[in-house]
Amino acid sequence: NAGVTQTPKFRILKIGQSMTLQCTQDMNHNYMYWYRQDPGMGLKLIYYSVGAGITDKGEVPNGYNVSRSTTEDFPLRLELAAPSQTSVYFCASTGTQDYEQYFGPGTRLTVT
Amino acid sequence: AQKITQTQPGMFVQEKEAVTLDCTYDTSDPSYGLFWYKQPSSGEMIFLIYQGSYDQQNATEGRYSLNFQKARKSANLVISASQLGDSAMYFCAMRGYNTNAGKSTFGDGTTLTVKP
Repeated sequence: NAGVTQTPKFRILKIGQSMTLQCTQDMNHNYMYWYRQDPGMGLKLIYYSVGAGITDKGEVPNGYNVSRSTTEDFPLRLELAAPSQTSVYFCASTGTQDYEQYFGPGTRLTVT
Repeated sequence: AQKITQTQPGMFVQEKEAVTLDCTYDTSDPSYGLFWYKQPSSGEMIFLIYQGSYDQQNATEGRYSLNFQKARKSANLVISASQLGDSAMYFCAMRGYNTNAGKSTFGDGTTLTVKP
């Protein structure tokens, strides 16, 4: 199993540009999550999904969109990038019977 | 709503001593799970320990134990016999199983430094 994979690992965006962060898991997990982590801070939940076709907002959803058309994939879309979106983005997944969340390696995004 | 509070931004401990990292939580969910994760300077998230809200006994995993006091809404992590490799950021987290099914919340973390 590859676990949770995220692409890209690094990205620099100009203000106003858009991009999609990809997240894929091969563990057949129901739950998937997107977090952002600013330097020295904790993880803030952006969006989460409890299954294909179902998504819900977390603490900091503004400026982001998600979709969950398959169990495996949970892409995060940034529209009109702003410097405040400079952060490390983590995708995670977990199964109904699992305890831990399995995290991807993260995407380091800089908006200038 | 869910909230996790970690009141210790930084902690120091001498190698081989025990240390307690504090975590308090709030939730409207009658059933939930509590978690601790370690994030070393390399950035990956490492799962340490889990406690279910209906578990009668405190969870233990090797040198890690979770001091769960449901009435006080606290879930402190105890690391025994600290090692230099324990230096990292530690996050307390929770996940709801009913009203907030699937929703996950993390605290702001505690940076632990183990001194030789």
